[in-house]
Amino acid sequence: SQTIHQWPATLVQPVGSPLSLECTVEGTSNPNLYWYRQAAGRGLQLLFYSVGIGQISSEVPQNLSASRPQDRQFILSSKKLLLSDSGFYLCAWSPGTLYQPQHFGDGTRLSIL
Amino acid sequence: SQQGEEDPQALSIQEGENATMNCSYKTSINNLQWYRQNSGRGLVHLILIRSNEREKHSGRLRVTLDTSKKSSSLLITASRAADTASYFCATDARSGNTPLVFGKGTRLSVIA
Repeated sequence: SQTIHQWPATLVQPVGSPLSLECTVEGTSNPNLYWYRQAAGRGLQLLFYSVGIGQISSEVPQNLSASRPQDRQFILSSKKLLLSDSGFYLCAWSPGTLYQPQHFGDGTRLSIL
Repeated sequence: SQQGEEDPQALSIQEGENATMNCSYKTSINNLQWYRQNSGRGLVHLILIRSNEREKHSGRLRVTLDTSKKSSSLLITASRAADTASYFCATDARSGNTPLVFGKGTRLSVIA
């Protein structure tokens, strides 16, 4: 069966520090991969998605970037965090077309001090 | 935009009652999906209804879709305290291979 791993679960970082969040999927090949941010009590904002290795689509211009160095690995990065980068970050995957059901990781709670 | 909008934003009911949440969207779709999110966790896919379907059941869940009104409803029957969560609808765009767009969600509280 397929599983998705996202870490760390919580992270506290100072303003201006770098960020690297990692997401990996097991049990499937060539998944579509997604990074979302969710503000407290709010909906999901799609940040990036990828349909293949090295293929990244950005939905919102921001302080963040994404990379897909391997088929089942998706990384969210920042060179310098801002206070506004705080939030709950979710990784997800889906098979086939982009409108297939998505399967989510358990998220990373990022607090910027 | 294509974003679905859930209604109400928050709903509080007693255990055993039915909970109904609605979702409206703006453009034609291939399918509409409902997800559940427990506090502090990732979303879990509940049910997918295709544009040519009008109703779908899964256990205590019943989803309807009215493409003429561009709306969907999620009914949870005989609710339990464990149903307390946020519920999101997600829609695609009928044309092109584009990602799902999630609504802002309905926060359901089931009081024991």
